[in-house]
Amino acid sequence: GAVVSQHPSRVICKSGTSVKIECRSLDFQATTMFWYRQFPKQSLMLMATSNEGSKATYEQGVEKDKFLINHASLTLSTLTVTSAHPEDSSFYICSARDRGANTIYFGEGSWLTVV
Amino acid sequence: DAKTTQPPSMDCAEGRAANLPCNHSTISGNEYVYWYRQIHSQGPQYIIHGLKNNETNEMASLIITEDRKSSTLILPHATLRDTAVYYCIVSPRYSGNTPLVFGKGTRLSVIA
Repeated sequence: GAVVSQHPSRVICKSGTSVKIECRSLDFQATTMFWYRQFPKQSLMLMATSNEGSKATYEQGVEKDKFLINHASLTLSTLTVTSAHPEDSSFYICSARDRGANTIYFGEGSWLTVV
Repeated sequence: DAKTTQPPSMDCAEGRAANLPCNHSTISGNEYVYWYRQIHSQGPQYIIHGLKNNETNEMASLIITEDRKSSTLILPHATLRDTAVYYCIVSPRYSGNTPLVFGKGTRLSVIA
């Protein structure tokens, strides 16, 4: 079964509204989680690194005020897309590092459609 | 930027072995080779990883050349469900804040 869970799996929102995506590690504590975005027929692009208890580190070109990341606990990181626009429509994927298993697991992904 | 080179696509007959190559000529001594796959509309799935020795698990085998500049992922008996994009990634052993950086991968099509 999944060890990293994302919610929701699909969401449709109106342009100008905000939407929150949750990423949970299910059987392990994750001090670090990563958020990716994937457009159709393209590879995963790293957006930001989420650290428990501290500010996220964003990749160049990713607006930190638009993509708010909160990693308030060792098992939960959230990505909030603020003032969403149609060009934000994409597949958002999180991953978390399980130190005990020495593996990085990925969530199932969340499809965002902004209309 | 990804440090690996993979063919963009491959076909494999169902039931046959699928051999997916990966070039990583600039790999450094502390970097591992990781393989993930992504089935359409899903998150990437971990397959296997290795440093310099060949590795095998229930999903696949990983063959790494002696100079570590290339590797091959082997799916011994490919099924239709193995159709996916396969990513070869080199990265330091999972530590700190080092994310996995994805290249374009190889799109494997398993044909009945």
